[in-house]
Amino acid sequence: GAVVSQHPSWVICKSGTSVKIECRSLDFQATTMFWYRQFPKQSLMLMATSNEGSKATYEQGVEKDKFLINHASLTLSTLTVTSAHPEDSSFYICSARMIAGQGPNTEAFFGQGTRLTVV
Amino acid sequence: DQQVKQNSPSLSVQEGRISILNCDYTNSMFDYFLWYKKYPAEGPTFLISISSIKDENEDGRFTVFLNKSAKHLSLHIVPSQPGDSAVYFCAASWGANSKLTFGKGITLSVRP
Repeated sequence: GAVVSQHPSWVICKSGTSVKIECRSLDFQATTMFWYRQFPKQSLMLMATSNEGSKATYEQGVEKDKFLINHASLTLSTLTVTSAHPEDSSFYICSARMIAGQGPNTEAFFGQGTRLTVV
Repeated sequence: DQQVKQNSPSLSVQEGRISILNCDYTNSMFDYFLWYKKYPAEGPTFLISISSIKDENEDGRFTVFLNKSAKHLSLHIVPSQPGDSAVYFCAASWGANSKLTFGKGITLSVRP
């Protein structure tokens, strides 16, 4: 099946620094990728929709200046958590859906997730 | 406003028996529904999906049933196995390549 690779799988950073998370679709093209955040024992909350070649669309309540998203190619999207604080500690997950016509179904494929801990 | 609801936070079943996981939705625009399985500290993995034009879809031990009039879907796992123990998320979307809206998930425990 299709593979989405997310890197790093875990990161610890100091408060005030920035962290970049990469999301790659390895064997298919994705014009759209999605970034989710999950708090312990809670659902996946969509943060933003990453569109190749254009600005990301952020969900209500998500600070676009804090969570910078870049979708430079059809296989790569990055999420940068700027000036991270302890409350940003969470599990971040990306996903991508195949461009219609590339595959038999339209399920989203998820990365492995990134556990961010800000100390 | 939660558009996809999984009202039961957990379910425990005996190995070999059937597991029935329920999901309700409120947005009548949803036309594609998916179930994902998730282990701690990992990304969700796709299990099975169903289009709104169907009532039922089966894949091995997994069957998803959709009742559009009730805006309800369920995932049946039979027979349940201990390896099925995980958190199961119901998700919905409308239109291809659109974002998924997730329920809160249900923790399934299958007892040996």
